[in-house]
Amino acid sequence: NAGVTQTPKFRILKIGQSMTLQCTQDMNHNYMYWYRQDPGMGLKLIYYSVGAGITDKGEVPNGYNVSRSTTEDFPLRLELAAPSQTSVYFCASSYSGTRSYGYTFGSGTRLTVV
Amino acid sequence: QKEVEQDPGPLSVPEGAIVSLNCTYSNSAFQYFMWYRQYSRKGPELLMYTYSSGNKEDGRFTAQVDKSSKYISLFIRDSQPSDSATYLCAMFKNTNAGKSTFGDGTTLTVKP
Repeated sequence: NAGVTQTPKFRILKIGQSMTLQCTQDMNHNYMYWYRQDPGMGLKLIYYSVGAGITDKGEVPNGYNVSRSTTEDFPLRLELAAPSQTSVYFCASSYSGTRSYGYTFGSGTRLTVV
Repeated sequence: QKEVEQDPGPLSVPEGAIVSLNCTYSNSAFQYFMWYRQYSRKGPELLMYTYSSGNKEDGRFTAQVDKSSKYISLFIRDSQPSDSATYLCAMFKNTNAGKSTFGDGTTLTVKP
């Protein structure tokens, strides 16, 4: 059972480039989330999804986009990368509603924009 | 003002000590409370999950929730060097799609 898998683990982007961070889970979780973690800080929600075809903005969505075409996959798209997007990105998933028992996180993607 | 405030640390204790990690929150709508442990350069992993006020114990770990004071704590008994990590409190409301609000984390070092 793989849990939540994120790729790539590391990436260096130049200002203005675009990329997609991949996230897939094999636990049949309805809910999926993208968070970013800056050094010494907690996690800030970028986007989330409550099921295939349904996505919504979190606290810091600017500069990002998501899609959820299947239950398993929840890619995060960065358009026109900026230095402010240098961060560690975590994907997470959980059961829905009162069945939720907290998140299962991926191992993260460490992104540097230069 | 942040909705969730976590004691910033860092915290350094000798092996075998009892550790107390704390968070306060301002929104009484938070109903579910969690503690995550995050080792360096790894993703957070769920340590404790609680709903009601009171204590929940799991081995050397005890999670305490006081909803009347809007205060949660994590106690670690007989701390071990392997407990050295950053601990994040998190909480979410009943009807907001499980979106969790996180504290900034407390970094704990347990010295042998």
